[in-house]
Amino acid sequence: DAGITQSPRHKVTETGTPVTLRCHQTENHRYMYWYRQDPGHGLRLIHYSYGVKDTDKGEVSDGYSVSRSKTEDFLLTLESATSSQTSVYFCAISAFRASGGVAQYFGPGTRLLVL
Amino acid sequence: ELKVEQNPLFLSMQEGKNYTIYCNYSTTSDRLYWYRQDPGKSLESLFVLLSNGAVKQEGRLMASLDTKARLSTLHITAAVHDLSATYFCAVGLTGEYGNKLVFGAGTILRVKS
Repeated sequence: DAGITQSPRHKVTETGTPVTLRCHQTENHRYMYWYRQDPGHGLRLIHYSYGVKDTDKGEVSDGYSVSRSKTEDFLLTLESATSSQTSVYFCAISAFRASGGVAQYFGPGTRLLVL
Repeated sequence: ELKVEQNPLFLSMQEGKNYTIYCNYSTTSDRLYWYRQDPGKSLESLFVLLSNGAVKQEGRLMASLDTKARLSTLHITAAVHDLSATYFCAVGLTGEYGNKLVFGAGTILRVKS
């Protein structure tokens, strides 16, 4: 599982409230990613990080911000949650595969419901 | 903008049959990934294809990549119920700051016994 944990695993919140999701990894990986998964869309990249304090936007970054103050933690914040942000959020890291090549490995996911 | 299209989006097949899932993409890339996802679970890395003509096999699954045609296939041989899952292909865009993935919508596979 590449040593990735996400918290919380489930959250219900109300429209307009701020929400922070945490991704924690224990293996000192440089690259970390946040995706959202919605039916019919596969996974879409929200933001990613290529080092401490180094982050950039993905394809669906509007309404989201991220921070990475330590190698092991990558935080995703919804500044003011909207119903359209109801989704399953996955964190990922890049790592070498034993069989060759680099792949992204995913955390267990966080189910977010915005009412 | 890179687009990744999978087909079919839903596949119901009998045990023992063969079938192929197709993944087409719109921009040049030589990195193609296949993942499996069981209901309510995370994604599991299946294959990493890194060059034109690459072929990888594990068990009843075989993946291939044709970068000139911008096409990858995931072939299922003699399907068994345990293969029921959603399969995603993803195309890698390698940049200065890491490898970003663009996913297809996924193919839901149901194997009937």
